[in-house]
Amino acid sequence: GAGVSQSPRYKVAKRGQDVALRCDPISGHVSLFWYQQALGQGPEFLTYFQNEAQLDKSGLPSDRFFAERPEGSVSTLKIQRTQQEDSAVYLCASSLDSGVTIYFGEGSWLTVV
Amino acid sequence: AQSVTQPDIHITVSEGASLELRCNYSYGATPYLFWYVQSPGQGLQLLLKYFSGDTLVQGIKGFEAEFKRSQSSFNLRKPSVHWSDAAEYFCAGARCKLVFGAGTILRVKS
Repeated sequence: GAGVSQSPRYKVAKRGQDVALRCDPISGHVSLFWYQQALGQGPEFLTYFQNEAQLDKSGLPSDRFFAERPEGSVSTLKIQRTQQEDSAVYLCASSLDSGVTIYFGEGSWLTVV
Repeated sequence: AQSVTQPDIHITVSEGASLELRCNYSYGATPYLFWYVQSPGQGLQLLLKYFSGDTLVQGIKGFEAEFKRSQSSFNLRKPSVHWSDAAEYFCAGARCKLVFGAGTILRVKS
């Protein structure tokens, strides 16, 4: 596709449920990023991939958060045992180069009830 | 620590008036600098970026930004605001990864 595609766009999860959020980057983009945006705040960095290698996961808030990009294209962000504080928009972004100019998807809105 | 600060949480301007949104950065060395816009329920759209060179950067939708090293600032400007410009604006800096400010919500009154 022309842009970064994320699915699902909206997800309501019960507390304790596991969720998986998918990101399809722009074709050919080497770098992929995940950000978390809580209501009324700016996006916060979660993790970064270059091809299939996860080069930086310093922003993942806990070991309940896990991201993968096994073939260097599609990425999945998994949240285990969701909690209410996980409610946020999860933004995926990709970049052709090492991340100087990145393009964002529309986000996956997660609400944990 | 690397940080980006947007001092104004909300700004209201009249349609047709000029606009300036403030952004300050704190980095060891000058980062790459960006402005993004986000409409409700939408993703982030890149307005403009500064890497080096000319300190006045032109972007899309009639926006421009000026990099001032002495003030560690990268303020966004538009000479005449349209009602469709109402949105949230984020300044961001990058060395290895993007660090965002908290955003400024722009309201446009007719």
